[in-house]
Amino acid sequence: DAGVIQSPRHEVTEMGQEVTLRCKPISGHNSLFWYRQTMMRGLELLIYFNNNVPIDDSGMPEDRFSAKMPNASFSTLKIQPSEPRDSAVYFCASSTPATSNQPQHFGDGTRLSIL
Amino acid sequence: GENVGLHLPTLSVQEGDNSIINCAYSNSASDYFIWYKQESGKGPQFIIDIRSNMDKRQGQRVTVLLNKTVKHLSLQIAATQPGDSAVYFCAENTHDTDKLIFGTGTRLQVFP
Repeated sequence: DAGVIQSPRHEVTEMGQEVTLRCKPISGHNSLFWYRQTMMRGLELLIYFNNNVPIDDSGMPEDRFSAKMPNASFSTLKIQPSEPRDSAVYFCASSTPATSNQPQHFGDGTRLSIL
Repeated sequence: GENVGLHLPTLSVQEGDNSIINCAYSNSASDYFIWYKQESGKGPQFIIDIRSNMDKRQGQRVTVLLNKTVKHLSLQIAATQPGDSAVYFCAENTHDTDKLIFGTGTRLQVFP
């Protein structure tokens, strides 16, 4: 079975540019999560969706970050304009609802470097 | 993964020995717990989970123990292999939210 699919795997771009990260959750999962992982702060939840609706975006660092989920099989995380401190690995995860006590399944991440 | 910094606790074990990785969780209301394994360049991979109505659960070569009294979780790996080398994270959750709270991680190094 296909797991969570993220693209691109690596992104290197200059500061000020727009960056779009993409995620395809596991089919049938209706919760989707975006995380950021850095050496200094570990794994941080940025935002999550249930049934394509954003539920909690309190982890989104600034207005430069935005996320959408136009349908059940696709989500994007956008940074505009990007800054060097946004450099990190960004993970997408999906799961069935928490009320069923099911684990989140992670993609292999996008390694983002802002120069 | 990115959690490779100087502050990550490290457990070094010899191949074939048993490993025990510990985690203290914070929320007494947490009722679901997960262990993840993260290898370099990959996302966290689900290993095993346990609900708060249990104190032990076994998988293939892995056992998770839950002590709710002291809010402690452990992962035991039997006959540790080089392929077990990774960073291990515990995560906790309550039934009324989808959010997982992750621990800081422990690096497991297996030497021959």
